[in-house]
Amino acid sequence: AQTVTQSQPEMSVQEAETVTLSCTYDTSESDYYLFWYKQPPSRQMILVIRQEAYKQQNATENRFSVNFQKAAKSFSLKISDSQLGDAAMYFCAYRSNYNTDKLIFGTGTRLQVFP
Amino acid sequence: ETGVTQSPTHLIKTRGQQVTLRCSSQSGHNTVSWYQQALGQGPQFIFQYYREEENGRGNFPPRFSGLQFPNYSSELNVNALELDDSALYLCASSLEEGLNGYTFGSGTRLTVV
Repeated sequence: AQTVTQSQPEMSVQEAETVTLSCTYDTSESDYYLFWYKQPPSRQMILVIRQEAYKQQNATENRFSVNFQKAAKSFSLKISDSQLGDAAMYFCAYRSNYNTDKLIFGTGTRLQVFP
Repeated sequence: ETGVTQSPTHLIKTRGQQVTLRCSSQSGHNTVSWYQQALGQGPQFIFQYYREEENGRGNFPPRFSGLQFPNYSSELNVNALELDDSALYLCASSLEEGLNGYTFGSGTRLTVV
């Protein structure tokens, strides 16, 4: 069975600085997607970025980028130029391309942004 | 286009009762997934409905059941509520089993007393 581990329960960053959130996962599959979701106090999960395992190039979305290390099964999220609105829970998630019915989430990292 | 709408937003039930939670999927989406998020945890997959049929199920007992309607909206039913069922229940809709990503609702906060 696949598992997702987020070892940082809480992180903090100064506004305009850069922060990296860690995620590791375990799978024997070769074809899958990885996601980072943001959950603000409104509770809605918002997709931040996704990475397909077959793509070697790291995904980037504006201030958000990932460091995808397939052999090490590591998928970290870098947030550059942090903004107050980035404060939220961040969840790493895995989805198999063989069994596409579910996302497997980590336990989350709470990010605080200080002015 | 509208997003995913869940109702009610909050609910308090007594142990042993039954509850029905509702989800309206995003326009054009034919797949609905339900997740349970306990306090301080990541969401756990309950089940998925694709074109009105259950398409996958997580490690939840049979007292958790669901439906998907022809307009692709969905219900989650929980019978014989237990205190541990207290959680945020999230609905996510997608097109074709999530191959192109998921849109989440804001959830229903269920408290069982």
